[in-house]
Order: sequence, then C-alpha cells, then structure tokens
Amino acid sequence: DVKVTQSSRYLVKRTGEKVFLECVQDMDHENMFWYRQDPGLGLRLIYFSYDVKMKEKGDIPEGYSVSREKKERFSLILESASTNQTSMYLCASSQRTPSINQPQHFGDGTRLSIL
Amino acid sequence: AQTVTQSQPEMSVQEAETVTLSCTYDTSENNYYLFWYKQPPSRQMILVIRQEAYKQQNATENRFSVNFQKAAKSFSLKISDSQLGDTAMYFCAFMKRGREKLTFGTGTRLTIIP
Repeated sequence: DVKVTQSSRYLVKRTGEKVFLECVQDMDHENMFWYRQDPGLGLRLIYFSYDVKMKEKGDIPEGYSVSREKKERFSLILESASTNQTSMYLCASSQRTPSINQPQHFGDGTRLSIL
Repeated sequence: AQTVTQSQPEMSVQEAETVTLSCTYDTSENNYYLFWYKQPPSRQMILVIRQEAYKQQNATENRFSVNFQKAAKSFSLKISDSQLGDTAMYFCAFMKRGREKLTFGTGTRLTIIP
C-alpha cells in the first residue's frame, strides 16, 4: 500500500514565523501535491510537483512556496506565517499519469494553527 | 476550467437507512474520471468509488453505488444500509483523463445516527 506521511498531525506557530510542512511518500511517485482544506471550501490546490525540482502553481499559491529536492519528499513553506493560513494541509502523491484506480493517495493531514 | 458542486453541506440519516449525496460538475471535456472520496473524522482521505465518463454503467462498490448522468453532468453517491463507520466528510472530485490534477467539490458532512 502507498504510504504518504506528513511529519506533524498538529502544529502551532506564531505570526511571522517561517513554517515548514514535510511530506514523504514511499511509492516512487512522480507527482506530489499540497492542498489546503477549509470548511465550506473543500480542498484547494496550493502547489503541484511533477518531478524533482519541478513545480507548478495551483489555485492558491500566494504566501506559500515549495521544495522538492528528492523524489520522495515534498515540502510546503510558509515564508512568514499569517493567521489566515490557519488551516488543514493535506499532501498527496500519484504516478506520473494517474489511472482511474490510483488517482491520488493522501496523507493524514497537518492541522496548522497560526497565533 | 472544471468546477464541481456539492449542494448539501451537511446530511444526517439513521443507521441502516439509505442516503444519497449529490454532486454536479461542469466541464467541456469528454474524457474524464469522477471520484468520491471519504474523509473520516481525524483520519486519512480514502477513495470510495470511481467512474469513467465513457462507461454508461454505474459503478458499484459493496454498499456504495453511483448514479452517473453524463448529459446532466451529475454524479451522485448512494450509500445503502448505512453504518456508523460511514460518518465522514465526502468529497466529489473530477479528473481529466491523462492529467494529474483533481478538482474537488466543497464536501458533504454525513452523520449516521445510531
């Protein structure tokens, strides 16, 4: 089974801090994704990476950056955290061309609170 | 761009009853996939059921089935004999075939009442 591991389930940080959210997958997937989940808004794509050092902006990239130095690891970075970034963050991975049987596999999520 | 709409933010049903969650989508594509994902409280999002757009037959997975109406762009999820473990957020999602990205709806919070 695919395992997508997010480093923290819960995280509390202060306004202005630099925050790193880490995600690791163990299935040699080419694609990795970061989503933000908010009530009433569903999942919104922040960034997508289709290979090492390659990235593409999603729907809401403002205030975020990403890093993918190794194939298995995809990091989301909040350069200067703000209270409106308090949210649930989900990481996902998939094969280069997802099939209907394996669209995306998700991690458990990180609930981030910015005080 | 694709959009996915789930018009029921919350639903609740008695255990053992049948419940239907609605989903509509908008796309100009002809070749795509549709999915229902389940997110139990504080747990991982998992894929429940999938449907290929060019297949007219509705997908079924045990107690879960879909009613796919391509012309109406509707993709509802039916849960039969509902169980307490079905309590979760349910997300409808769209993927263009051959592409990587999923477009999600806003979700329906389903509560199964004992």
